[in-house]
Amino acid sequence: DGGITQSPKYLFRKEGQNVTLSCEQNLNHDAMYWYRQDPGQGLRLIYYSQIVNDFQKGDIAEGYSVSREKKESFPLTVTSAQKNPTAFYLCASSPAPYEQYFGPGTRLTVT
Amino acid sequence: EDKVVQSPLSLVVHEGDTVTLNCSYEVTNFRSLLWYKQEKKAPTFLFMLTSSGIEKKSGRLSSILDKKELFSILNITATQTGDSAIYLCAVVKGRGSQGNLIFGKGTKLSVKP
Repeated sequence: DGGITQSPKYLFRKEGQNVTLSCEQNLNHDAMYWYRQDPGQGLRLIYYSQIVNDFQKGDIAEGYSVSREKKESFPLTVTSAQKNPTAFYLCASSPAPYEQYFGPGTRLTVT
Repeated sequence: EDKVVQSPLSLVVHEGDTVTLNCSYEVTNFRSLLWYKQEKKAPTFLFMLTSSGIEKKSGRLSSILDKKELFSILNITATQTGDSAIYLCAVVKGRGSQGNLIFGKGTKLSVKP
């Protein structure tokens, strides 16, 4: 089965802890993206990567970090510096900068 | 500053109604416009529009792009309760092999039986 997987589906953390969200794809796509979705805000780009070992900040990168050591994997770390980390996080991949395929998302709750 | 604006933000209709969702944009280096449908979780792709005036159709859904007036519409005819979702519009911008999506806030459509 080809696709994008994100894990876990739900994640709960205490304030001040770093947390890493997983995103894996077996579609052989070069580009991968992380978005954050808040109610009434649409999707906002956190980080993106066009190729392995390279990534760029999106519109709201502060308090987040990523790595792209393998083509298939693009994990996102939500650090304690992120002021409002509670949100729905979506990972996407794309063979080109056009249509993006989304994973099922991770809902992170920080208390 | 690049922006994508969708209207209305929410809409309630009854089964069988026809709806029109709007998406206007101001984006530098425009490449294409995408429509997605988001139910409980991940958005699913509906249409990609690159050229003005060419309607894309898929069943009861259709969409068209106007690059002169910088907007797109998504039409849904004979709506069904299964059409209830958030509809997202996104613009692809960028030069060469680089490109990113800028999303609107979405239109939440509720179809009542």
